[in-house]
Amino acid sequence: GAGVSQSPSNKVTEKGKDVELRCDPISGHTALYWYRQRLGQGLEFLIYFQGNSAPDKSGLPSDRFSAERTGESVSTLTIQRTQQEDSAVYLCASSLNRGYQPQHFGDGTRLSIL
Amino acid sequence: GENVEQHPSTLSVQEGDSAVIKCTYSDSASNYFPWYKQELGKRPQLIIDIRSNVGEKKDQRIAVTLNKTAKHFSLHITETQPEDSAVYFCALYRNQGGKLIFGQGTELSVKP
Repeated sequence: GAGVSQSPSNKVTEKGKDVELRCDPISGHTALYWYRQRLGQGLEFLIYFQGNSAPDKSGLPSDRFSAERTGESVSTLTIQRTQQEDSAVYLCASSLNRGYQPQHFGDGTRLSIL
Repeated sequence: GENVEQHPSTLSVQEGDSAVIKCTYSDSASNYFPWYKQELGKRPQLIIDIRSNVGEKKDQRIAVTLNKTAKHFSLHITETQPEDSAVYFCALYRNQGGKLIFGQGTELSVKP
């Protein structure tokens, strides 16, 4: 497709379970970003990948959160031992490269922790 | 860390009126300022952006102004229409870390 694709669109899971969220960036985009958006709130930066450079993990809220990206393609965000406060929409964005480039967002994964 | 203050949090206007949303920031090294529109349950969509080498940019009914000295930038929507109703987020690009810092959003309601 032409845009950023995320899956699943919705995920409901029990507290304590692990979840894995997937992001397919726009083809050719070297930069990929993950954000979290709690209900009625702004977007909170989590992690950023640029090409083959080490990712910027400065926004990850705890060591239960991790993310990987293979080359300049798919990225997965993993949350281990989920807590209720992890409930949010997780948004992925990509841009042509780092810097003053527009970031294009996917539709997000709505995560609900019971 | 860098914060972006966005005001107002809610804004209600009559169709045809103008709407203005303002954001202030503290990091003088920021040089790229995008605005996103997010309709309920949908993805944020870039509507306009501005770089620090210009003070104003316009695209049809939407304009953004930037005052780097005062560290604020504003979104102006003229001749508002009901389909402009959404949450609008300002953001700035933080060179360190390559990430966007977002404001808390403004819920704009345009009443027909």
